[in-house]
Amino acid sequence: DTGVSQDPRHKITKRGQNVTFRCDPISEHNRLYWYRQTLGQGPEFLTYFQNEAQLEKSRLLSDRFSAERPKGSFSTLEIQRTEQGDSAMYLCASSLSRTGAGGYTFGSGTRLTVV
Amino acid sequence: AQTVTQSQPEMSVQEAETVTLSCTYDTSESNYYLFWYKQPPSRQMILVIRQEAYKQQNATENRFSVNFQKAAKSFSLKISDSQLGDTAMYFCAFTAWRGDTGRRALTFGSGTRLQVQP
Repeated sequence: DTGVSQDPRHKITKRGQNVTFRCDPISEHNRLYWYRQTLGQGPEFLTYFQNEAQLEKSRLLSDRFSAERPKGSFSTLEIQRTEQGDSAMYLCASSLSRTGAGGYTFGSGTRLTVV
Repeated sequence: AQTVTQSQPEMSVQEAETVTLSCTYDTSESNYYLFWYKQPPSRQMILVIRQEAYKQQNATENRFSVNFQKAAKSFSLKISDSQLGDTAMYFCAFTAWRGDTGRRALTFGSGTRLQVQP
């Protein structure tokens, strides 16, 4: 098991374009979280899945953002009509619910730059 | 709503010395967990130590220990015998325990940048 994998590592896009990020969690982890981290700040919760069900979305997740986790395995986060304010690091984390709090494993993140 | 406050944006320590990073939090929950995460320049978040609120004993992990003061809602991290590899951003984080079906997402502080000087 190689941990949580995120792709791509870096993405530069023009304002108004759509982008999609992928997260592959640890295979036996049934919970998957997306966070956004801007420079000099701590990560902020965006959304989470338990298996394939998206159980909660933060109010930070505007209508331009959509996340999926088909079949409860990998997840995608899509941003439509990107804005400069979307520039950030997008972090994915996974955990196994029965292990209790603290069993999170983070990926290395996808850094998005909107120009 | 829970909030986590880290009041030290940057700190510096000499190699082999001890440093303490501060964290305070606010919550109305009675059952929760607190964490310290390390984020080196490579950006991957790594768990340093965690504390269950119902445990009175402070958690320790090798050179890392916490001072958990539940009444004061304070959760500081002490790093002993600092090493160059400890240079990183350190984030304090909180999650409420709501059973197996609970959200359990983390609320992070704004971080403390620690520089270990040779």
